[in-house]
Amino acid sequence: DVKVTQSSRYLVKRTGEKVFLECVQDMDHENMFWYRQDPGLGLRLIYFSYDVKMKEKGDIPEGYSVSREKKERFSLILESASTNQTSMYLCASSFSGSVGYTFGSGTRLTVV
Amino acid sequence: ILNVEQSPQSLHVQEGDSTNFTCSFPSSNFYALHWYRWETAKSPEALFVMTLNGDEKKKGRISATLNTKEGYSYLYIKGSQPEDSATYLCAFYNQAGTALIFGKGTTLSVSS
Repeated sequence: DVKVTQSSRYLVKRTGEKVFLECVQDMDHENMFWYRQDPGLGLRLIYFSYDVKMKEKGDIPEGYSVSREKKERFSLILESASTNQTSMYLCASSFSGSVGYTFGSGTRLTVV
Repeated sequence: ILNVEQSPQSLHVQEGDSTNFTCSFPSSNFYALHWYRWETAKSPEALFVMTLNGDEKKKGRISATLNTKEGYSYLYIKGSQPEDSATYLCAFYNQAGTALIFGKGTTLSVSS
């Protein structure tokens, strides 16, 4: 089975901290994605990557950056965490758009 | 920003009832339409990926249809069971983009 692993299930960080959310997949997928999920807003795309060192902005990239130094790892970085970044963050990977995404178990981040 | 609309937002049915949800998406530049089931405390799980107009997919008691010309898809659940309780997400993939755009989901609750 394809596995997508997110490093933390729950995180609590202080306003202004730099936060790293890590995501690793083990099936050699080209494409990796970061979404956040908020009540009433659904899953919103933050960033995605279709190859090592490549990145594309999604719908809500402000306040975030990403890193893809290796094919299996896609990191989401909150440069200076703010309370409005409190959310559930989901990482996903896929081989292509005609195949379903595999999601990680999510990281619930609280910024205080 | 491309828009994917799902209705209803939530639904409560009795065990044994059959039900259906709607997903509307842009009909131009269509590439694929995905359905996911997201159970509480779990990761979203792919149900169907459909790419052709008129596609019908089935998995057990759950089936889906696709109309790319008018931009809608239906998800049907026959004889709902309590274990079908989940949020059902629809997501659209267009030819120009390289990431899924999700609807806000339909939350189904099935009472026994």
